[in-house]
Amino acid sequence: DAGVIQSPRHEVTEMGQEVTLRCKPISGHDYLFWYRQTMMRGLELLIYFNNNVPIDDSGMPEDRFSAKMPNASFSTLKIQPSEPRDSAVYFCASSLGLARNEQFFGPGTRLTVL
Amino acid sequence: DQQVKQNSPSLSVQEGRISILNCDYTNSMFDYFLWYKKYPAEGPTFLISISSIKDKNEDGRFTVFLNKSAKHLSLHIVPSQPGDSAVYFCAARDDKIIFGKGTRLHILP
Repeated sequence: DAGVIQSPRHEVTEMGQEVTLRCKPISGHDYLFWYRQTMMRGLELLIYFNNNVPIDDSGMPEDRFSAKMPNASFSTLKIQPSEPRDSAVYFCASSLGLARNEQFFGPGTRLTVL
Repeated sequence: DQQVKQNSPSLSVQEGRISILNCDYTNSMFDYFLWYKKYPAEGPTFLISISSIKDKNEDGRFTVFLNKSAKHLSLHIVPSQPGDSAVYFCAARDDKIIFGKGTRLHILP
């Protein structure tokens, strides 16, 4: 299994631009998570999906952030418009079930907003 | 308001000695605790976990201890090896997993 795949690995953009991060979870996993890692706040859960349905988006910082999961093998996290304070590493993770099951993380996307 | 706290941003330990990473939590509803390990430019990987009904779980060189009355858990690595140098995240679960900020462990030769 290739594991969780994220693209791009690095993204540099200018303030105000739209940014789209992509994730392919492990085949067969029914939960997908988006996290953001910063020095100040550590690893924060932004949103998670179960069977492609968003379950909890309380971690999404503001309306500029949106996430979709159109099918079981693909999810996107979009920031529009992007701001310098959005600079962080964004991780996607997937798991089989939620209770007591480990999450498998992708390698992350390092986003820099200038 | 941090529900999972790792108060030591970094820790240096001599190779072969014991590494102890600490974690405190505030939510008594957490029923499951996990430790993840992260190397640079990689995503976190699961290391070890413990249910709230236990006070100790051991897996090879890694042992996690849970003190529910103190709302404290710790990860012990014995003996520490160079490959253990990484960032370690403590996490706790109620309906979702909440991570601490991480502790960077340096194993010194």
